[in-house]
Amino acid sequence: GDSVTQMEGPVTLSEEAFLTINCTYTATGYPSLFWYVQYPGEGLQLLLKATKADDKGSNKGFEATYRKETTSFHLEKGSVQVSDSAVYFCALSERNNNDMRFGAGTRLTVKP
Amino acid sequence: DTAVSQTPKYLVTQMGNDKSIKCEQNLGHDTMYWYKQDSKKFLKIMFSYNNKELIINETVPNRFSPKSPDKAHLNLHINSLELGDSAVYFCASSQEGLRYGYTFGSGTRLTVV
Repeated sequence: GDSVTQMEGPVTLSEEAFLTINCTYTATGYPSLFWYVQYPGEGLQLLLKATKADDKGSNKGFEATYRKETTSFHLEKGSVQVSDSAVYFCALSERNNNDMRFGAGTRLTVKP
Repeated sequence: DTAVSQTPKYLVTQMGNDKSIKCEQNLGHDTMYWYKQDSKKFLKIMFSYNNKELIINETVPNRFSPKSPDKAHLNLHINSLELGDSAVYFCASSQEGLRYGYTFGSGTRLTVV
């Protein structure tokens, strides 16, 4: 079945460091791919998405490119801030499916 | 205006009790979900309703029963609560097809003592 694998955390970075959180997927068709962010004590918020190969999703300085050849959707940010500390989830949904598959989440802590 | 709202935000109760969590969405979405998030942040789908019809019913103890009185509401009733039910429960909604992802509620932290 469809699944998402993301790098295990926790990840600890200093402010202004470069961030990469790896995400790879397994799917039988052509899924849409998502990154969600969960701040402490809150629900998940959609951060960015991509619906077809080579699409780049971007939001708040974060980017991820849908790479069909490597079945990946890695999240990147050039310069992280303390306020980016959160748990990040990679997810996919197949067309005509009614649920979404989530990765295990990666906790990011950014220190001043 | 809150798009997906859950109540209560916190729920502390004793083993053996019965409790309900309510969820409402004002986005006009067709599909609603319940997810359970454990202490390690792992998200597991429990149920999904599309236009009041149950479409996903994962392997969940039958002490958990969802109810959808209309497509804007999806409630979760839990009978005979156990310690292992302690978790954060998230409601979510989406348009059919999921191209635009989910909108999540802020969660209900359930603690069974």
